[in-house]
Amino acid sequence: EIVLTQSPATLSLSPGESATLSCGASRSVSSNYLAWYQQKPGLAPRLIIYDASKRATGIPDRFSGSGSGTDFTLSISRLEPEDFALYFCQHYDSSPVTFGGGTKVEI
Amino acid sequence: QVQLQESGPGLVKPSETLSLTCTVSGGSVRSYYWTWIRQSAGKGPEWIGRIYSSGNTNYNPSFRSRVTMSIDTSKNQFSLKLTSVTAADTAVYFCAREDPESSGWYLAWLDPWGQGTLVTVSS
Repeated sequence: EIVLTQSPATLSLSPGESATLSCGASRSVSSNYLAWYQQKPGLAPRLIIYDASKRATGIPDRFSGSGSGTDFTLSISRLEPEDFALYFCQHYDSSPVTFGGGTKVEI
Repeated sequence: QVQLQESGPGLVKPSETLSLTCTVSGGSVRSYYWTWIRQSAGKGPEWIGRIYSSGNTNYNPSFRSRVTMSIDTSKNQFSLKLTSVTAADTAVYFCAREDPESSGWYLAWLDPWGQGTLVTVSS
């Protein structure tokens, strides 16, 4: 199975700054079958990005995804207070799908 | 919009069976895959498996010998059973929808998710 490794584990930033989150795969993810999710305590995880770079419905354009093969990035420009959360990546290249360990974006 | 809600016991004894149900509202369970995921404290999520509205299932090999999923289209619900649980099965369990037709592949992203339910395995 594909192992996804996210870095850093924690990102300490201030509102208005930009965040860059990385997701590395143990082997190439075909056709950029990679998604990013936002998770807040007690709430349902929310889809942010799918197919590595496509924003999900209702996601503001300060969120962007990029990358291919084994290296993927989620970028958040101009952090808003509601963006401070846990983010994790997931591939859907092959079964079983797997998730990264997550990056916490904190103030 | 489609909403998912997990339900079931929050405490299960070791060696017993964990049973959870996910109720889908605002849409039908037909023509989609429905997935169970769990997340242990401080770890990334772990895919348990999925079930199609026809009843076809795919399980993570890590759970295959212990997991059973079922679906009741008349109640718009699907369920998870995990047998012979241990403390390692303590986690927040989520249900989610998967739509491979959207991805054009046999797998897809998960959207939407339920808010999750904590299951603790302890005597």
